[in-house]
Amino acid sequence: DAGVIQSPRHEVTEMGQEVTLRCKPISGHDYLFWYRQTMMRGLELLIYFNNNVPIDDSGMPEDRFSAKMPNASFSTLKIQPSEPRDSAVYFCASSPSGFVGYTFGSGTRLTVV
Amino acid sequence: AQSVSQHNHHVILSEAASLELGCNYSYGGTVNLFWYVQYPGQHLQLLLKYFSGDPLVKGIKGFEAEFIKSKFSFNLRKPSVQWSDTAEYFCAVNGRRRALTFGSGTRLQVQP
Repeated sequence: DAGVIQSPRHEVTEMGQEVTLRCKPISGHDYLFWYRQTMMRGLELLIYFNNNVPIDDSGMPEDRFSAKMPNASFSTLKIQPSEPRDSAVYFCASSPSGFVGYTFGSGTRLTVV
Repeated sequence: AQSVSQHNHHVILSEAASLELGCNYSYGGTVNLFWYVQYPGQHLQLLLKYFSGDPLVKGIKGFEAEFIKSKFSFNLRKPSVQWSDTAEYFCAVNGRRRALTFGSGTRLQVQP
């Protein structure tokens, strides 16, 4: 199993640009989570999906953030327009329905200049 | 709402010293508890988990944790740390909500 796959690993963009982060969960996992990690705020849950349906998006900071899961094997997190304060590491994680904990991806380090 | 507190932000130990990292949670119902480790530049990996049963849980790499319900605690321990244990350690909890809530993390530095 290849694990949770995130792309890109690093992204540097200018303020105001659109950024799209991608995640492929482990096959057969029903849950997908997006987290953001910063020094100041630690690990924050942004949104999670169950069977491709968003369950809780209360952690999405602003309307500039949106997430989709068009099918069981792919999810995107989009920031439009991006701002310097969005700079962080964004992690995707997935878990099966019989909850035994998450498997995390390697993360996307986003830098907005 | 569920929350997690990790009181030790930065711990420095010498090799072979014993380790105990504190974790307290706040939630009124049944919880599942986890410890994750993040090595420098890497993603989070599961060290151990507690769902029910024996409150003393053993994980990978010689780590263990004890769930004390009366104290709302789930402290992580290791009898003898190694330089390779240098990492950041996160305690996490989930109650009724499926998503995990993470503590702020403890950065462990082990000196050779």
